[in-house]
Formats: sequence, C-alpha cells, structure tokens
Amino acid sequence: GAVVSQHPSRVICKSGTSVKIECRSLDFQATTMFWYRQFPKQSLMLMATSNEGSKATYEQGVEKDKFLINHASLTLSTLTVTSAHPEDSSFYICSASPGQGVFFGEGSRLTVL
Amino acid sequence: TQLLEQSPQFLSIQEGENLTVYCNSSSVFSSLQWYRQEPGEGPVLLVTVVTGGEVKKLKRLTFQFGDARKDSSLHITAAQPGDTGLYLCAGAYDSWGKLQFGAGTQVVVTP
Repeated sequence: GAVVSQHPSRVICKSGTSVKIECRSLDFQATTMFWYRQFPKQSLMLMATSNEGSKATYEQGVEKDKFLINHASLTLSTLTVTSAHPEDSSFYICSASPGQGVFFGEGSRLTVL
Repeated sequence: TQLLEQSPQFLSIQEGENLTVYCNSSSVFSSLQWYRQEPGEGPVLLVTVVTGGEVKKLKRLTFQFGDARKDSSLHITAAQPGDTGLYLCAGAYDSWGKLQFGAGTQVVVTP
C-alpha cells in the first residue's frame, strides 16, 4: 500500500514550548491530508483537514491557534503544537489517500512535561 | 456528524476460535475501511469496501459491506495470537479520505 511517514515518532518537551510534527506522503501526492489525535485506549478523533496551498479546516472544538497546520507542498503537511501544555500530551497521527484507501503515518507521541 | 457504532468493545478468545466485529451506522458512507492498530503505532489498513453487498477476503479475515452501505463486519476464522490488536472501522465521507472512526474493538487471542 501507499506510504505515509511521520516524524518524529516521539517527542518530549517542556511546557510552554512549541513542537512541530511532519507528515509526508512518500510515494504519492496528497493535496489533502488529515490530522487525528488519539488518547490512550480510545479511538482516533479528527482534528483538522490540511489543504495544500490553502488554510486548514478545523473540527469543532479544536483551537486553530493552538494547532497550526501548514501544507506547503503536495507531499508534506506539518502540525505545530504551540505553547504546549501537559494536557496536549497525546498520540498524533496523520493520514492521506492516493485515491484508493486511506493510509496513516506511524504516529507521533507527544509528552509535555 | 455521522456516528459509527462498533461492537463489541473488547473480545478475548482462545487460539483457534472464530470472532466477528460489527460496525453500524444510520447513515451511508461512500466507503468503509478496516484497520488494525498495535500500541504506539499508526493504524494499518486491512481493507476498503466500497460496493454495497461486497465481500472481501484477506487470508483468514472476511469483510462484508452491507447492501445499504451502512454497516460492515469483520470475521476472523481460527484466530491466532498474532491477530491480537485494536481493530478499527472507519467510514469515509468523501473520496479525499476524511474518516469517521468507530470506538474500536480490542481483540486478545491467547495461546
């Protein structure tokens, strides 16, 4: 299947700092990517839709100023968690589709101390 | 928001037994995907079903999509410990890949 890759897989940061997570489609171009958040023992919750060349679309209840999304190219979307706090600690996962099937990255575990 | 109900939430069985996971919605999805997720990793796509009434087989896994494209099931025959994991169904709103996930089913297969 298609390959979607995330980096970093794990990140630990201090409260108040910002963290950037990258999502790349390695073997296809993706004008649209999606960012999800997953808490322990729970399913995935859609945070936002990342659109290449335009603003991201955020789901209800997701702070756009807290979770900055940039989709600067057809193969890269970034999620920046700004002024991170311990409650932002979570597993963040991105996805993209080459047209048939939706593929996910490996996920990024964020721990905010 | 279309809701996707997945059941059961937890399933513990012995090696060699069969199991079925259900995914139901009151709304129609353009397609439905099934994933398996290991702890600390992203979901891995098992199958995508698109056509109402469709049946797909992947070795010991059989996936069905309801005629009305509102429900789906995953059946595992002769489960093995390697089948242990979190199984997720996800309905697609459109062709771009925006998904609505079910709550997930944690499957544990003991030797």
